[in-house]
Amino acid sequence: GAGVSQSPRYKVAKRGQDVALRCDPISGHVSLFWYQQALGQGPEFLTYFQNEAQLDKSGLPSDRFFAERPEGSVSTLKIQRTQQEDSAVYLCASSLIGTVDGYTFGSGTRLTVV
Amino acid sequence: GIQVEQSPPDLILQEGANSTLRCNFSDSVNNLQWFHQNPWGQLINLFYIPSGTKQNGRLSATTVATERYSLLYISSSQTTDSGVYFCAVGNDMRFGAGTRLTVKP
Repeated sequence: GAGVSQSPRYKVAKRGQDVALRCDPISGHVSLFWYQQALGQGPEFLTYFQNEAQLDKSGLPSDRFFAERPEGSVSTLKIQRTQQEDSAVYLCASSLIGTVDGYTFGSGTRLTVV
Repeated sequence: GIQVEQSPPDLILQEGANSTLRCNFSDSVNNLQWFHQNPWGQLINLFYIPSGTKQNGRLSATTVATERYSLLYISSSQTTDSGVYFCAVGNDMRFGAGTRLTVKP
């Protein structure tokens, strides 16, 4: 596609509910990143994929967070047993390896846990 | 991990003024990118600039990798330049806290 697509755009979850957030990177982009951005803060790194391999998941805040990219294209970020502190915008970015053009971000998914 | 510091945290300008935003980082990097986050939350790629100087219209950026800093210059600022400017560094793109720019008409 022309850009990085994320869905849903907005998600309201009851505390304890599981959620799945989807990221469709730009076609052919090898690298894919997930970030969490709380209100008024900068994006915080969660995890990084190169193709289907998850090379870095050091930013995932707890074992309730899980990300996958099984075929090296679409990625899903899953949050189990959501808690109020999980409320944030979740951003996805993709790039070519060794790109001189940088990384492109999606519009994000705003998750609100009530 | 790499520490990224941006300054100033907040900047208020009158339309037409020039400004310089700074990004310091704690370790050598081969990736550095500047982003503008608009009021709707979209992060727009401004420059991919691990070293050297680039210009795009009223914006330019310089990274001095050996001294571990990058500068973003905005000339003749417009109200549409308002938003938060972030730098992100490293292969895993660690972000600074941003500079919130407000341009008043």
